[in-house]
Amino acid sequence: DTEVTQTPKHLVMGMTNKKSLKCEQHMGHRAMYWYKQKAKKPPELMFVYSYEKLSINESVPSRFSPECPNSSLLNLHLHALQPEDSALYLCASSRVVPTNEKLFFGSGTQLSVL
Amino acid sequence: DQQVKQNSPSLSVQEGRISILNCDYTNSMFDYFLWYKKYPAEGPTFLISISSIKDKNEDGRFTVFLNKSAKHLSLHIVPSQPGDSAVYFCAASALYNAGGTSYGKLTFGQGTILTVHP
Repeated sequence: DTEVTQTPKHLVMGMTNKKSLKCEQHMGHRAMYWYKQKAKKPPELMFVYSYEKLSINESVPSRFSPECPNSSLLNLHLHALQPEDSALYLCASSRVVPTNEKLFFGSGTQLSVL
Repeated sequence: DQQVKQNSPSLSVQEGRISILNCDYTNSMFDYFLWYKKYPAEGPTFLISISSIKDKNEDGRFTVFLNKSAKHLSLHIVPSQPGDSAVYFCAASALYNAGGTSYGKLTFGQGTILTVHP
């Protein structure tokens, strides 16, 4: 199993809503990542978890709250988002951090904030 | 400051011919380079990588060349197939330290849309 599974695939939310994005992998990877990708732009790193601990926060606004309940799951809690937060949110995993190994990406959640 | 650049937004190639995708970088600390392929509505898929200690890596139809002095890498696809049509991202990695933890951070280029015509 070399898959990273993300749910939901699409999400539409209002600015006052609270929602969560979910990510799951069963490859035994101990590093998990959240990336954000705007249309026609490259993916940008948001958070890195290493051994279920938050290692890196790339100065992401607090309306995005990551959570890593266990080594296979990664969540991104969303609250009071702005329309400019509409984007494709990608989850990825790799064996360990630090590493220069390849990342395995999920298919992403396409988020629209109204 | 865009540290990884793919200057060609798109490339169109005939089936069976060679596709050459280019990538330039500015950060001399990058020591590992990767190419990812992305279809619409899917996440990026790893294609091929190269360490900075090498100048060539080959995997089937895909070859990546690295010219460190020019800070340039390229991906060659031979022969190109219609199924290769996708967005190709160049990515570069360097080790960063933050709060006592070191990690490899990927920086992506803007992507090149490759279209292979039958």
